[in-house]
Amino acid sequence: DAKTTQPPSMDCAEGRAANLPCNHSTISGNEYVYWYRQIHSQGPQYIIHGLKNNETNEMASLIITEDRKSSTLILPHATLRDTAVYYCIVRPTDSWGKLQFGAGTQVVVTP
Amino acid sequence: NAGVMQNPRHLVRRRGQEARLRCSPMKGHSHVYWYRQLPEEGLKFMVYLQKENIIDESGMPKERFSAEFPKEGPSILRIQQVVRGDSAAYFCASSPSQADTQYFGPGTRLTVL
Repeated sequence: DAKTTQPPSMDCAEGRAANLPCNHSTISGNEYVYWYRQIHSQGPQYIIHGLKNNETNEMASLIITEDRKSSTLILPHATLRDTAVYYCIVRPTDSWGKLQFGAGTQVVVTP
Repeated sequence: NAGVMQNPRHLVRRRGQEARLRCSPMKGHSHVYWYRQLPEEGLKFMVYLQKENIIDESGMPKERFSAEFPKEGPSILRIQQVVRGDSAAYFCASSPSQADTQYFGPGTRLTVL
């Protein structure tokens, strides 16, 4: 399975956009990019996923580069409640199901 | 539509006792996954089940751990003869099919005294 690389931590000011990078240089053509977050030991929360095209939902936007070797999760207006560990995961479309979590990025939103 | 439910939310056991963790998937979901998060560590996959079948148990410890997902009722993760190293948060996720998005429950925090 392809692996991902994320910065261990980043800070963001409340009300500003948070841009979370993820490198997945060995991603295969049949692998999705998924993002989850975990707020203070709660259950992981699904955010968004994509294959090739950029995606947007009510929580965030996902920008995937044309070569698919990296992506950026954008939280358009960060709030204090967005403080969490964010996980970028690549997952084959024909996966047997398991998600492989890395260390993620600890995002701290400050007032 | 209720989310994934797990109970109990907190479980305390003494060494040597048995722990049973329950997971009720979202309505319409027949695929269940269990993950474990040890203190200060990341989430690790344990087992993947579909109704009455274990599909992938590559992350399960070889001894003392078992899982089932019967035709009726919740999925059960069972830990026999618990040891202090089993203290962790155990999360369950469900999906409607093996390639669909997984949605997680709130977890069960097991403490072994």
